[in-house]
Amino acid sequence: GAGVSQSPSNKVTEKGKDVELRCDPISGHTALYWYRQSLGQGLEFLIYFQGNSAPDKSGLPSDRFSAERTGGSVSTLTIQRTQQEDSAVYLCASSLFDITGTEAFFGQGTRLTVV
Amino acid sequence: TQLLEQSPQFLSIQEGENLTVYCNSSSVFSSLQWYRQEPGEGPVLLVTVVTGGEVKKLKRLTFQFGDARKDSSLHITAAQPGDTGLYLCAGANAGNNRKLIWGLGTSLAVNP
Repeated sequence: GAGVSQSPSNKVTEKGKDVELRCDPISGHTALYWYRQSLGQGLEFLIYFQGNSAPDKSGLPSDRFSAERTGGSVSTLTIQRTQQEDSAVYLCASSLFDITGTEAFFGQGTRLTVV
Repeated sequence: TQLLEQSPQFLSIQEGENLTVYCNSSSVFSSLQWYRQEPGEGPVLLVTVVTGGEVKKLKRLTFQFGDARKDSSLHITAAQPGDTGLYLCAGANAGNNRKLIWGLGTSLAVNP
């Protein structure tokens, strides 16, 4: 597609349920990032992919969070046993190589609400 | 812990006014990026500055990177309602290039 696409755009889930968030990056972009943005907060780095590997997953807040990327393209962020503090907007970004070397393109985000 | 402080946090001005927002840190960054984010959308890159003292202009927007590469400013001349949004700065250092450090942003409202 022409831009980074994220789905769903909104997700309401019950506490304790698992959720999957999907990111379709721009075709050909090798670098992919997941961020979390809470109300009144900046962007919190979660994980970085280069191709299918994740050289930096240091931002994942707990072992309930995991992410994978297949075919150097689509990425899925999975949150198991969701908690209310997981409520936030989850943003995905892709770039040609490195977020500091080339422009990063963001999706519109997935707003997750845990009730 | 690296931090980027943005000020002011909120700014509401009338169309035609000038404004400056600031991004400050005690840490040195190898580069700094400015983004604008509109409601329901992801941030969009405006500019990247990499050299201490660098000034970049984008139409009515002027970006400056501090000489010591610890701070940056964004000046908007004759603000328009279309400039309304959340302005975020993000810094990177040579040792951790892939993980940008983000400020909390300045929320700007330009009233017609």
